[in-house]
Amino acid sequence: DVKVTQSSRYLVKRTGEKVFLECVQDMDHENMFWYRQDPGLGLRLIYFSYDVKMKEKGDIPEGYSVSREKKERFSLILESASTNQTSMYLCASSLSRKVGGYTFGSGTRLTVV
Amino acid sequence: QKEVEQDPGPLSVPEGAIVSLNCTYSNSAFQYFMWYRQYSRKGPELLMYTYSSGNKEDGRFTAQVDKSSKYISLFIRDSQPSDSATYLCAMKDSGAGSYQLTFGKGTKLSVIP
Repeated sequence: DVKVTQSSRYLVKRTGEKVFLECVQDMDHENMFWYRQDPGLGLRLIYFSYDVKMKEKGDIPEGYSVSREKKERFSLILESASTNQTSMYLCASSLSRKVGGYTFGSGTRLTVV
Repeated sequence: QKEVEQDPGPLSVPEGAIVSLNCTYSNSAFQYFMWYRQYSRKGPELLMYTYSSGNKEDGRFTAQVDKSSKYISLFIRDSQPSDSATYLCAMKDSGAGSYQLTFGKGTKLSVIP
């Protein structure tokens, strides 16, 4: 069964900390995505990557960066965490641009205090 | 006008009812249409996937796409308490540089025993 694994289900971090959220997929998918999900706002795309070492900004990249050194791993970095980055973070991957369906991870609930 | 509109609900129905969930969209280039189901504190999972117009049935679930009206629906027959979740519609065009899905904000469904 295909899988997208996010390293943590729950995280609590302090304001100003550098935070790393890790995502690994075992499906040899080219495309990987990071979203945040907030009540009333739905899913908002932060960054995506369609190949190793490639990255593209999504709708809300400010305050975030990403790294994709290997095909199976896509990391989201909060350079200096702030309370408005408290959210559910979801990683997803997809096989090809034409098929379009994503496989999501279970999410990381991040609280910044 | 938002690209994809979805009534957030919440929608509450008795067990056994037929449920209708809907999305409207404005981008006539969308060709791929999906429904995701998201249980509380979990990542979304792909439920139904259709290409262009028409119907698709899978067990108790039927997805309909009406491109002329820019309207998609998900019907759930004989609804069960286990169907209680948030349902997200998603869509994508078939452009060469198209990696991303556009999501609705989701409809929260509760099926009452």
